[in-house]
Amino acid sequence: DGGITQSPKYLFRKEGQNVTLSCEQNLNHDAMYWYRQDPGQGLRLIYYSQIVNDFQKGDIAEGYSVSREKKESFPLTVTSAQKNPTAFYLCASSIAATGGLNTGELFFGEGSRLTVL
Amino acid sequence: DAKTTQPPSMDCAEGRAANLPCNHSTISGNEYVYWYRQIHSQGPQYIIHGLKNNETNEMASLIITEDRKSSTLILPHATLRDTAVYYCIVRVAGETSGSRLTFGEGTQLTVNP
Repeated sequence: DGGITQSPKYLFRKEGQNVTLSCEQNLNHDAMYWYRQDPGQGLRLIYYSQIVNDFQKGDIAEGYSVSREKKESFPLTVTSAQKNPTAFYLCASSIAATGGLNTGELFFGEGSRLTVL
Repeated sequence: DAKTTQPPSMDCAEGRAANLPCNHSTISGNEYVYWYRQIHSQGPQYIIHGLKNNETNEMASLIITEDRKSSTLILPHATLRDTAVYYCIVRVAGETSGSRLTFGEGTQLTVNP
């Protein structure tokens, strides 16, 4: 089935360690996104990529890094510079083109919950 | 950027209609209203979207006021499984730049038996 796969679902990290969250999609979408969600709050945009080999910072990019070497993959690295990394991380994708049958909707993965010990 | 305002929480009795409001008074002419919902600890799920006409699908109905400054998502017969956080966002269809992709805190809908 087509969709977005995030892994791992749960991850524990010690302070000072970098960790990489995986996001893979087989929807042939051009655009991919990473969001962070803290308890009781909405989704804040970390990074987004509209095309392979290109990405832009979102609202809270500090302490995070991404790469987009392949269309289907958009991994997120949470670096030791991120002061409060414990959160729920969501990856999403969408079609870039407008018009026709494109609804413009975002397709989300099931999320990765990172806990820093 | 068009911002949205939603009540933080609402309750609804099972089997009754749930009407969730959203204000978007600064919406631009080419921006659509999208609704998503997020069940606890899962990824958000697309529900419906519209530009200026009312829309209906198998999940819900979307009513947009004539001036497009507000909208209402209607779940006609709410069930316990509809308990979730509902997000209203506005963006151009197919927009992939970050300025239109922020989700606010949404409305926590609780459906009671």
